[in-house]
Amino acid sequence: EAGVAQSPRYKIIEKRQSVAFWCNPISGHATLYWYQQILGQGPKLLIQFQNNGVVDDSQLPKDRFSAERLKGVDSTLKIQPAKLEDSAVYLCASSLDRADLYEQYFGPGTRLTVT
Amino acid sequence: AQKVTQAQTEISVVEKEDVTLDCVYETRDTTYYLFWYKQPPSGELVFLIRRNSFDEQNEISGRYSWNFQKSTSSFNFTITASQVVDSAVYFCALSLNYGQNFVFGPGTRLSVLP
Repeated sequence: EAGVAQSPRYKIIEKRQSVAFWCNPISGHATLYWYQQILGQGPKLLIQFQNNGVVDDSQLPKDRFSAERLKGVDSTLKIQPAKLEDSAVYLCASSLDRADLYEQYFGPGTRLTVT
Repeated sequence: AQKVTQAQTEISVVEKEDVTLDCVYETRDTTYYLFWYKQPPSGELVFLIRRNSFDEQNEISGRYSWNFQKSTSSFNFTITASQVVDSAVYFCALSLNYGQNFVFGPGTRLSVLP
């Protein structure tokens, strides 16, 4: 079974530029998560989708971050414009359904550096 | 709001020693779920265990064991006879009912020396 795929693996941009990350969850997984992990910290949940609906986006900085999950499968996370403090690893995870019932599987992450 | 505290930033042990990683959580909800994840140097988070708030039974899986105590809001993780391959950052996490409001602790970096 293929795992969670993310691309790109690395991205370097200048502040005020835009960037997009892509995630392909495990086939059949209804729930998809985007996390931001700043170096030396635990992952912070940005947004959680159940199929193509948003369940929790309370910690998503909506003035610059946006995410969508078209057709309840792939998802993209966009930052526009980027700030220096956005430098982090962006992790995508998926689970069969709710995380209280099913294990989350994590992708390898996208390391973003904003200069 | 939910909060997870892992007071131990870094721990170093020598191979074959036992080690306990502490986790203290805060929530006002009566239904919640606790998790432990491992993040090896490769970076991908690996699920280790999930526990719900109604099940305080301790659990053992091979060299791993977990002690859940609601009275002290703690969910501690013990590795028995540690091995070099156990070296990683370990995260404790909490979610509410329906798997929402997922919160990770800051992590504990464990180094097992040969």
